[in-house]
Amino acid sequence: QVQLVQSGAEVKKPGASVKVSCKASGYTFISYVVHWVRQAPGQGLEWMGWIDGGNANTKFSQKFQGRVTLTRDKSASTAYMEVSSLRSEDTGIYYCARDLSMTSLILDYWGQGTLVTVSS
Amino acid sequence: SYGLTQPPSVSVSPGQTASITCSGDKLGDKYACWYQQKPGQAPVLVIYQNTKRPSGIPERFSGSNSGNTATLTISGTQGMDEADYHCQAWDSSSRVVFGGGTKLTVL
Repeated sequence: QVQLVQSGAEVKKPGASVKVSCKASGYTFISYVVHWVRQAPGQGLEWMGWIDGGNANTKFSQKFQGRVTLTRDKSASTAYMEVSSLRSEDTGIYYCARDLSMTSLILDYWGQGTLVTVSS
Repeated sequence: SYGLTQPPSVSVSPGQTASITCSGDKLGDKYACWYQQKPGQAPVLVIYQNTKRPSGIPERFSGSNSGNTATLTISGTQGMDEADYHCQAWDSSSRVVFGGGTKLTVL
């Protein structure tokens, strides 16, 4: 069965960076795109971008372009999301999610989420 | 930028039909998805391509999309359906867009 397992919670100071991992299993990693979505406390979902597991092409929300880096390790079937220059507003739960098929923009399987807290 | 608007909250009595709307400019020309999110859990896809249900999603969940509004309908609503529901589509640059979410209360 398809599973996306994310790394554990992080606490960071303002100005630092954080890198979250998303390990995929149960499907052919290189044949699918992985999306990243943020949810601030008590708020809705906010799309950040996606990375193609095969060719590592990326696409970003304009809000996160330049401050978020998406990478992947094909051999480990793992996608990574790094946010730099953290500020308090970056506090929230970060989810990875698989695209149903290539870039259908339908998120059919989700990771369990990673809580990132930015606090001095 | 493209925006999707949902009502913040909807209430329904057990066994009745709940309808949650999602509005956006010419949304009917796109495909809409719906996600259910229970407290402390990750979202779950319940409707995609306007009307399709993933495997394992009960038949009481259905969707429609026309004009500027997509609608998620839950027939015979049960207590377990109490959750936040998020609609999703995409903008002209093929970037994912979510609505603000609707809290469904079953009382």
